[in-house]
Amino acid sequence: DAGVIQSPRHEVTEMGQEVTLRCKPISGHDYLFWYRQTMMRGLELLIYFNNNVPIDDSGMPEDRFSAKMPNASFSTLKIQPSEPRDSAVYFCASSLGPYGDNRVSAGNTIYFGEGSWLTVV
Amino acid sequence: AQTVTQSQPEMSVQEAETVTLSCTYDTSENNYYLFWYKQPPSRQMILVIRQEAYKQQNATENRFSVNFQKAAKSFSLKISDSQLGDTAMYFCAFMGGNTGKLIFGQGTTLQVKP
Repeated sequence: DAGVIQSPRHEVTEMGQEVTLRCKPISGHDYLFWYRQTMMRGLELLIYFNNNVPIDDSGMPEDRFSAKMPNASFSTLKIQPSEPRDSAVYFCASSLGPYGDNRVSAGNTIYFGEGSWLTVV
Repeated sequence: AQTVTQSQPEMSVQEAETVTLSCTYDTSENNYYLFWYKQPPSRQMILVIRQEAYKQQNATENRFSVNFQKAAKSFSLKISDSQLGDTAMYFCAFMGGNTGKLIFGQGTTLQVKP
């Protein structure tokens, strides 16, 4: 399997610009997560989806952030307008869900993409 | 709400020696899962080991093992025969039985010295 695929890997943008991060989850995974990692706040969950439906977006910092999952194989995280404090590594991750697959001992494990490094100047 | 605490921001160990990273958590749930992830300088999040709360036996993966103390809500990671490639940040994480999402600790940076 190709794993979780994120793009872009690195992005440098100017304050005020729109940023779109993209994610392709592992095929067959019903759950998709967006995490953000910063020095100050560590790893924090922004939002997660189950079967393309947002389940919990309480971690989304403010209205400038939005996430969509139009189909089972694609999700976007958008920041508009971007600010310097949005600079972080953004991770997309996917899993089979809390109950996983009973045929697989580690069925509910969450697998992460390589991250998108965002710098807003 | 669940919380995960890693009280050791940084640790170091000599190559070939053993090191233990600490993690405590707080939850009122009885069914849950615990994980250790490794994050090398590349920032890739790599699963090291997982533990189901209903299992009394401690999980082991090659040189990595855990000491799971459910009553104490403690979940430490032991790395035996440390290797230079083990140098990374290590995150302890909690998953409630019904949510499927991970809650992470602050991380412990481990330096393996030659």
